[in-house]
Amino acid sequence: DGGITQSPKYLFRKEGQNVTLSCEQNLNHDAMYWYRQDPGQGLRLIYYSQIVNDFQKGDIAEGYSVSREKKESFPLTVTSAQKNPTAFYLCASSGQGSQPQHFGDGTRLSIL
Amino acid sequence: EDQVTQSPEALRLQEGESSSLNCSYTVSGLRGLFWYRQDPGKGPEFLFTLYSAGEEKEKERLKATLTKKESFLHITAPKPEDSATYLCAAGGTSYGKLTFGQGTILTVHP
Repeated sequence: DGGITQSPKYLFRKEGQNVTLSCEQNLNHDAMYWYRQDPGQGLRLIYYSQIVNDFQKGDIAEGYSVSREKKESFPLTVTSAQKNPTAFYLCASSGQGSQPQHFGDGTRLSIL
Repeated sequence: EDQVTQSPEALRLQEGESSSLNCSYTVSGLRGLFWYRQDPGKGPEFLFTLYSAGEEKEKERLKATLTKKESFLHITAPKPEDSATYLCAAGGTSYGKLTFGQGTILTVHP
C-alpha cells in the first residue's frame, strides 16, 4: 500500500544534541512538507520542498534544517538551536497543483 | 496574511444528534479548502477538498459545503466512532502551502 512512513514514533533529545526525523513516501509525490503541531494549535509549516534538491523555509524554520536528495525522502533535523523542540512533528506529501496533502503518523519529540 | 479560524473549539454531542462545524477563512486566491480528521496520536486523514463556492462533498455521515468566506462540515446522526479532531485548511496563491485552523474536538457520547 502506498503511504508515508515516519520514524521513529517517539524520540528523545538531550541538551545540545541534534536529532533527525525520517520521512519516506512511496506515493510518487513531488512535494513534501514538515509541520509542527502543539496542543491547542493548528499545524505550523516548518519547511517544504516542491522538487528534489530544492526546498523553502516555512513559517517557523529557525532551529530546523532539511535535505531533499531523493524524491522519496525528506528528513528533518532538529538542531540544538531550537530551544523549544517538544512537539508532534508531521510529514506530508502531495501531487501537482491543488492536490490534497497526505500525512504520516507523526513523530513525538521530547526533551530529556 | 492568510487566516483560518475554526469554531467551536470543542463540541459534545449525543449519538444521533446532528450538528455542524465551522471554518472561516481569509485567503488570497483560494486554490482549495481541505477537511481532515485526526485521531489522537495519529496524522491527519484526508476527508474532502472543495474548490469553489457552492460546492458540496459527502462521505457517509459527513457533508462539507463551501461559501466565499466559510466552510461547514455537517455531521448527520453521528456515532461514537466519529469522535476525533476535525481540521480545516486553506490553500492560497502560494503553491502547495496550506494554512490550518486550530481544529474542533468532537466527542460523540453513546
